[in-house]
Amino acid sequence: QSALTQPASVSGSPGQSITISCTGTSSDVGGYNYVSWYQQHPGKAPKLMIYDVSKRPSGVSNRFSGSKSGNTASLTISGLQAEDEADYYCSSYTSSSTVFGGGTKLTVL
Amino acid sequence: QLQLQESGPGLVKPSETLSLTCTVSGGSISSSSYYWGWIRQPPGKGLEWIGSIYYSGSTYYNPSLKSRVTISVDTSKNQFSLKLSSVTAADTAVYYCARQGTIFGVVTDFDYWGQGTLVTVSS
Repeated sequence: QSALTQPASVSGSPGQSITISCTGTSSDVGGYNYVSWYQQHPGKAPKLMIYDVSKRPSGVSNRFSGSKSGNTASLTISGLQAEDEADYYCSSYTSSSTVFGGGTKLTVL
Repeated sequence: QLQLQESGPGLVKPSETLSLTCTVSGGSISSSSYYWGWIRQPPGKGLEWIGSIYYSGSTYYNPSLKSRVTISVDTSKNQFSLKLSSVTAADTAVYYCARQGTIFGVVTDFDYWGQGTLVTVSS
């Protein structure tokens, strides 16, 4: 199985919106509605931000939203805040396995 | 509040077997709604799923690691464990345990994570 493809980095200014893409194939992202997104701050464990493509766990800000079109899933963060600066990883179910994306570093300018 | 805690040696010699245990507290590992997984992260790199286990002992493994990985569960102790054999320096990483949802035979997201433990492979 190959890792899902994410941009290495994205950036935005406070208050702006950014979108991180996660591209897979019809065997993973495109084939199932089980895409999740994780936020990871340096030295910390990942935190679930989005599951089942677009659902938010309790306690996660509604500034975070997820979507999917074909083989590409997307995470959008609106109203960027300094605390959003972190690494973000997507993940998908595939053929009795789980696959992660390579990760995207979000810089808040 | 569910908590997961990894434990095990922080240093393993090349060619030996890495062994870690994850202790679950605040909830039962025997829940029918969850698998229990291991994920690792080499220093400065991304996340890699290693494998997951159901309380019954059913397992899913990453195909790229399958030949070296064994995951087991001890429901009496509310623990699950990872063994990775024939380790090399490339296996140096922070190892996380996490709870993974399951529905209709599909494994989904990881909603609770341990804090992670660094395992270094070196002589």
